[in-house]
Amino acid sequence: EIVLTQSPGTLSLSPGERATLSCRASQSVSSSYLAWYQQKPGQAPRLLIYGASSRATGIPDRFSGSGSGTDFTLTISRLEPEDFAVYYCQQYGSSPRLTFGGGTKVEIK
Amino acid sequence: QVQLVQSGAEVKKPGASVKVSCKASGYTFTSYYMHWVRQAPGQGLEWMGIINPSGGSTSYAQKFQGRVTMTRDTSTSTVYMELSSLRSEDTAVYYCARDSGDIVVVVAATYYFDYWGQGTLVTVSS
Repeated sequence: EIVLTQSPGTLSLSPGERATLSCRASQSVSSSYLAWYQQKPGQAPRLLIYGASSRATGIPDRFSGSGSGTDFTLTISRLEPEDFAVYYCQQYGSSPRLTFGGGTKVEIK
Repeated sequence: QVQLVQSGAEVKKPGASVKVSCKASGYTFTSYYMHWVRQAPGQGLEWMGIINPSGGSTSYAQKFQGRVTMTRDTSTSTVYMELSSLRSEDTAVYYCARDSGDIVVVVAATYYFDYWGQGTLVTVSS
C-alpha cells in the first residue's frame, strides 16, 4: 500500500499569501495518478486537481498542482477567504488500493 | 445538475448492521461507477469500495472484506452500502462519491471522485 504523507500539518497564512502544500508518497505513483481535494467543516470533499496537475471543472486558476514520482505539490497562488480549509491528496495509481494523505489544514494567521 | 443525496444519520449498537443509501440524479446512473468513502470524527478519508451500477459488480478494500456489501437499484438510481458487525471504531461520516470516468468513454473506473454525497453520520454506541 502506498502511504501518502502530507506536510505541513497546519499552515497559518494571511489572505493574499501563497500556500504551498506537500504530498510525499512512500513509493512512486504511477502515471502521476494523484488528486487533491478541499474540505471545509461539515462539508464533503471537493475535487480540485487530478492527474497531478489538471484542474477539475470550475476550479479557479489560483489552484495548481505539480510533481511526479513520489513528490507532489498543491499551490494556491493568492489565498482567498474561502480557501481556508483542509486539503487532502489521494493516489489512485495502485487502484483499487487507493489511499489518501492525512491532510493539511490551511488556517487564517 | 449532478446530485447525490444520502440517507439520514443512524445510531446503532455494537454488533448491529447499518445500511446507507445514496440516490443519484442529474446524469445517467449506469454510466459512472460509485465509491464509498468514510471519515471518522476529526480524521482523514478512507476508501471502502466501489460498485458498477450497470452490472452490480463490486470491489472492496481488504479492511472491509466480509463486513461490507454494496448494492444498487437501477429503477431508483440508488446505491446502498451495508456494513455489518459494527464496532465503535466504525463511527464515522460515510460518503458516496461518483467516479469521474464515464464508463462508455473510459471503460474502467478512474478511482478519483468528481461528485460527493452530503455524508451520513453513523454512530456506534452501546
